[in-house]
Amino acid sequence: SQQGEEDPQALSIQEGENATMNCSYKTSINNLQWYRQNSGRGLVHLILIRSNEREKHSGRLRVTLDTSKKSSSLLITASRAADTASYFCATGAIQGAQKLVFGQGTRLTINP
Amino acid sequence: KAGVTQTPRYLIKTRGQQVTLSCSPISGHRSVSWYQQTPGQGLQFLFEYFSETQRNKGNFPGRFSGRQFSNSRSEMNVSTLELGDSALYLCASSPQTGFSYNEQFFGPGTRLTVL
Repeated sequence: SQQGEEDPQALSIQEGENATMNCSYKTSINNLQWYRQNSGRGLVHLILIRSNEREKHSGRLRVTLDTSKKSSSLLITASRAADTASYFCATGAIQGAQKLVFGQGTRLTINP
Repeated sequence: KAGVTQTPRYLIKTRGQQVTLSCSPISGHRSVSWYQQTPGQGLQFLFEYFSETQRNKGNFPGRFSGRQFSNSRSEMNVSTLELGDSALYLCASSPQTGFSYNEQFFGPGTRLTVL
């Protein structure tokens, strides 16, 4: 079963606009990661934020984590057509090995 | 470094058959995890191997099994295939030092179709 939910399930915006995706989870976590997947291919790691961090930046990506609300958001600024993909959040448990629990994903479409 | 490689990329089998998928992790990575992705269930964790030992297992029937070799390469096997086993099977490797979490590097996946 999925750890949580992502919102929205699908998002369509114009190139140059910002895209925000949200992720909620159910159990306590060690870290939360965001991945991108293009058309049924492998996943590409975007960013990892640990449970003691509140915000993290990487290039045009900004991730926030609110452990009290068990939620995270991914902001992509100045979107490009190449950002069109599915985005997944995944949580790592406090104890255990490299087991990620994924959300259902957000399908992002950037219109030129 | 070369990325995670998976073979074969595509596979078509019939119900009742068995299949073996292979994964070669990034050089130096000792943790290898397997995930199943389907439209209905999304991405689900199958199992993880570290130093040739299965360290974690997801909620899949015993028909799904795996192993890891001394060079960290891993295989997963599905016996008595069912139509519902049709999926994209993803392998991921991680350097994982100690018990700290690291990002996982995914391969391109093996697309399995069961007829």
